[in-house]
Amino acid sequence: GESVGLHLPTLSVQEGDNSIINCAYSNSASDYFIWYKQESGKGPQFIIDIRSNMDKRQGQRVTVLLNKTVKHLSLQIAATQPGDSAVYFCAENRERSGGYQKVTFGTGTKLQVIP
Amino acid sequence: DVKVTQSSRYLVKRTGEKVFLECVQDMDHENMFWYRQDPGLGLRLIYFSYDVKMKEKGDIPEGYSVSREKKERFSLILESASTNQTSMYLCASSSPLAGGSNEQFFGPGTRLTVL
Repeated sequence: GESVGLHLPTLSVQEGDNSIINCAYSNSASDYFIWYKQESGKGPQFIIDIRSNMDKRQGQRVTVLLNKTVKHLSLQIAATQPGDSAVYFCAENRERSGGYQKVTFGTGTKLQVIP
Repeated sequence: DVKVTQSSRYLVKRTGEKVFLECVQDMDHENMFWYRQDPGLGLRLIYFSYDVKMKEKGDIPEGYSVSREKKERFSLILESASTNQTSMYLCASSSPLAGGSNEQFFGPGTRLTVL
């Protein structure tokens, strides 16, 4: 069945190091993959997305890599800062019958930044 | 600054009560969504709407209904609250963009406790 999952529920990283958050997906028909960040007490916030025909996309301090061969998605955060502490969700966006798009979220990885 | 607001941050209700959760967005978005968020399960879609007076079931619609009488407002209704509906409820909105990933903008969430 369809699923979007994460390898690790919690990731601890030293401040200044790079963080890598991983995500596995099972549906090859997804159009986009998206990363959201959820800080404590807030709703999720869009970070970056990648179209399914791309392998890599870079933003400010973040890079998303997509490996369609093994159905794996990763979010890399450079020079991790305390403000990066949050739960990170990967999500897949796919157009369904009827023309609408549906987003399916993974279960989330909690990133803890150690000062 | 775009904004999605939810009527309550915290809500405590009793089993069997009818519960209304309100969501308002000021971005003139066509699409609106209701999710519930539970530990280890991520975000699960309850209902969504792509237009006024239009609604579609998500992955877990049982025990819920929705109403969208105006474009900016999307209400989630628990007809008879049960303890297994204790959860964090998140509202989101988005606008369909040609070729885009339909970034969703989330409200801060309503933490509902059903006793």
